Amino acid sequence: EVQLVESGGGLVQPGGSLRLSCSASGFTFSGYLMHWVRQAPGKGLVWVSRINSDGSDTSYADSVKGRFTISRDNAKNTLFLQMNSLRAEDTAVYYCTRAVSYFNFWGQGTLVTVSS
Amino acid sequence: EIVLTQSPATLSLSPGERATLSCRASQSVSSYLAWYQQKPGQAPRLLIYDASNRATGIPARFSGSGSGTDFTLTISSLEPEDFAVYYCQQRSNLFTFGPGTKVDIK
Repeated sequence: EVQLVESGGGLVQPGGSLRLSCSASGFTFSGYLMHWVRQAPGKGLVWVSRINSDGSDTSYADSVKGRFTISRDNAKNTLFLQMNSLRAEDTAVYYCTRAVSYFNFWGQGTLVTVSS
Repeated sequence: EIVLTQSPATLSLSPGERATLSCRASQSVSSYLAWYQQKPGQAPRLLIYDASNRATGIPARFSGSGSGTDFTLTISSLEPEDFAVYYCQQRSNLFTFGPGTKVDIK
């Protein structure tokens, strides 16, 4: 069974940093592109970032480019999102997702709150 | 950036009725469009991919159509568990989601 479990969310002050993790199991993690998608409270879904299977290629939404870094450790079946210079508008549930072409498996999400 | 718009924002229907949801892209996305269902407190679930293909385990009452810039998700006869928010998403140029259509009970 495919499982994606996010962790690392919490309350952080504006300008601060946070590192999210996503532990994957039930599939060959190193064979898949992985993404982060976020959802602000009561709002819609927003794609954040993606990384290819070996970590050599990444893409970001304009809203996080230069502030967020996606990475992965295939030996530990783990996806990461390093978030720096956080803003109030980054407050959201962050989902880790697996995609071949579309997002067919999702974690339960981890809440990041940026507030003073 | 490709912008997706969805209509209506809210659709109020009764169980057993037919639901028709629309998604329009700001430029052609070919058939690279998906539909997701999201219930409160849950992660989204993939329903339809490449405009008209049902994902694994999705009931036949869900169907998708369209290409280019105009797409439709149809639920032929609403079941109680179908009342939720539905998002379209394109993968033609990076990834964007529409703002969602809430299907609620009339």
